[in-house]
Amino acid sequence: QKEVEQNSGPLSVPEGAIASLNCTYSDRVSQSFFWYRQYSGKSPELIMSIYSNGDKEDGRFTAQLNKASQYVSLLIRDSQPSDSATYLCAVKESDYGGATNKLIFGTGTLLAVQP
Amino acid sequence: DTGVSQDPRHKITKRGQNVTFRCDPISEHNRLYWYRQTLGQGPEFLTYFQNEAQLEKSRLLSDRFSAERPKGSFSTLEIQRTEQGDSAMYLCASSREVASGNTIYFGEGSWLTVV
Repeated sequence: QKEVEQNSGPLSVPEGAIASLNCTYSDRVSQSFFWYRQYSGKSPELIMSIYSNGDKEDGRFTAQLNKASQYVSLLIRDSQPSDSATYLCAVKESDYGGATNKLIFGTGTLLAVQP
Repeated sequence: DTGVSQDPRHKITKRGQNVTFRCDPISEHNRLYWYRQTLGQGPEFLTYFQNEAQLEKSRLLSDRFSAERPKGSFSTLEIQRTEQGDSAMYLCASSREVASGNTIYFGEGSWLTVV
């Protein structure tokens, strides 16, 4: 059973600080990784996608990927109270040449940004 | 609005009744997915269509669940003889077929409560 693991939190950070969210995955050959933000009662909203080792920056968000360690993270700089949400890590199941397009999600980390 | 559209947004039904949800994907997207999310969990994959062909089904999709995408556009998810354990948010998502890393976008979800 392929798995995606996240700390459920809550992760509490003060406003203006850097929030660091982590995720590990079990499928060694996965190639596509995603971070979704989900506000309470709402559907997941895509924040970042990353496919190559290293860092990818988009505004206040930086995704980091280390395939050797099977680890992906999301950094949120200058955290704002409006960033308070559950952050879901998702890994696209490896194709092995097949047609699967399934995303495997972690249970999410609840982030609380304190004003 | 050109996002993924789901209907109804909320449904309360008595145990044993049938329910049907509809999803209209983003217009240029040929791939459509159904996920289910319960409280405190990440979304779980149910099924996937490429155009009108249902290419993958999760073992979570029991015989009481059926999904269709008759003309490769909108999709329906029907749950027969609902049980209390079916209470969840049912998420539809869509994506475009690209060589790699196709991004999946979610609709706002359909909440089901079985009483």
